[in-house]
Amino acid sequence: AQRVTQPEKLLSVFKGAPVELKCNYSYSGSPELFWYVQYSRQRLQLLLRHISRESIKGFTADLNKGETSFHLKKPFAQEEDSAMYYCALSTGGGNKLTFGTGTQLKVEL
Amino acid sequence: GAVVSQHPSRVICKSGTSVKIECRSLDFQATTMFWYRQFPKKSLMLMATSNEGSKATYEQGVEKDKFLINHASLTLSTLTVTSAHPEDSSFYICSAADNYGYTFGSGTRLTVV
Repeated sequence: AQRVTQPEKLLSVFKGAPVELKCNYSYSGSPELFWYVQYSRQRLQLLLRHISRESIKGFTADLNKGETSFHLKKPFAQEEDSAMYYCALSTGGGNKLTFGTGTQLKVEL
Repeated sequence: GAVVSQHPSRVICKSGTSVKIECRSLDFQATTMFWYRQFPKKSLMLMATSNEGSKATYEQGVEKDKFLINHASLTLSTLTVTSAHPEDSSFYICSAADNYGYTFGSGTRLTVV
């Protein structure tokens, strides 16, 4: 069975500092990896998916199959980045998503 | 982009009654929808996968007779919490697979009193 691990419950950084939210996964096949963000009192929104290799709101994430990781990075944190971030894995083909436990990012002034 | 509408956003019901939550895909057809439960400050727990025209697939430990799922059309899935009890109070979220990944509804806050 697949599993997603986000080791940090809370990550606090200062505005302008680099951010890295960690995500590791376990799955024997070729996974589809996603990052979702949930701002206060809002629904979950797709931030990134690894197959599109996009940069959204300055965030990037690279799939490292050797380390089974999909860490989310941003060079300079902004106050509006404060939110809950979830890493998620799908086995593909519209199959169910398996979520990590989430990391609360707090950007302080 | 794809939009999933979930209704109601909040509901309070008496213990022993049933509550229906609707999840609609507004601008795309969703053959598969997912129902999650989110506990305070916790991650999303998948309850079941809803397949249009067939029976839902429930995750281990989820009571299928308590959480009835119906996916009668390509744009609507419903979750009915039957004979609700206070421990069923939670935040329920639906999701649908689309061309970009998965789109989520805004969630339903269920309070059983």
